[in-house]
Amino acid sequence: DTEVTQTPKHLVMGMTNKKSLKCEQHMGHRAMYWYKQKAKKPPELMFVYSYEKLSINESVPSRFSPECPNSSLLNLHLHALQPEDSALYLCASSQGIQGAGQPQHFGDGTRLSIL
Amino acid sequence: AQSVAQPEDQVNVAEGNPLTVKCTYSVSGNPYLFWYVQYPNRGLQFLLKYITGDNLVKGSYGFEAEFNKSQTSFHLKKPSALVSDSALYFCAVRVLLYNFNKFYFGSGTKLNVKP
Repeated sequence: DTEVTQTPKHLVMGMTNKKSLKCEQHMGHRAMYWYKQKAKKPPELMFVYSYEKLSINESVPSRFSPECPNSSLLNLHLHALQPEDSALYLCASSQGIQGAGQPQHFGDGTRLSIL
Repeated sequence: AQSVAQPEDQVNVAEGNPLTVKCTYSVSGNPYLFWYVQYPNRGLQFLLKYITGDNLVKGSYGFEAEFNKSQTSFHLKKPSALVSDSALYFCAVRVLLYNFNKFYFGSGTKLNVKP
């Protein structure tokens, strides 16, 4: 069983909708990440939070808005998405952002489809 | 530039035979190397890592990987493949950028184990 929980597992939304993806971990990790993954491709980093502060934004369009309410939770707010945003969105966590030997632990993702 | 290459899009092997999934890397400085596995409709699962020390690293589910500095390779191996090993495998290198360790993923290799 994965230690990073993502909800919902599937989400279908129109281009004018507003929705949110949620991620939760209880491993005491202080770094959390959002990735986007297209089919049969490697994950692409979107955002990095460290100690609940946004550390990295990989030039992600503003229609994606991350939020870290506390050390265990990470949200991704979605608004006015485009069909090309359809993908698997993965959340991950690690003990910190500077430990080179620390693996990232991934959730099972939210499969997002934009109509 | 930092990069990871997985030269094979797909590897086919018969159950019970040994398997190898290839990975080569290019980084400046010490490489911190990881293998992840992804089953359909799941997130990435951490298999093993090389940080320093013995060149042969043992991981989950009977997998191991051999670090070869002269060939800049980190091939994933298993002595006897199982049908349940069929999945998508990603090699990754973790690189320190400013104050953040970023994962660079390979393109992925689909492993098919046939009964």
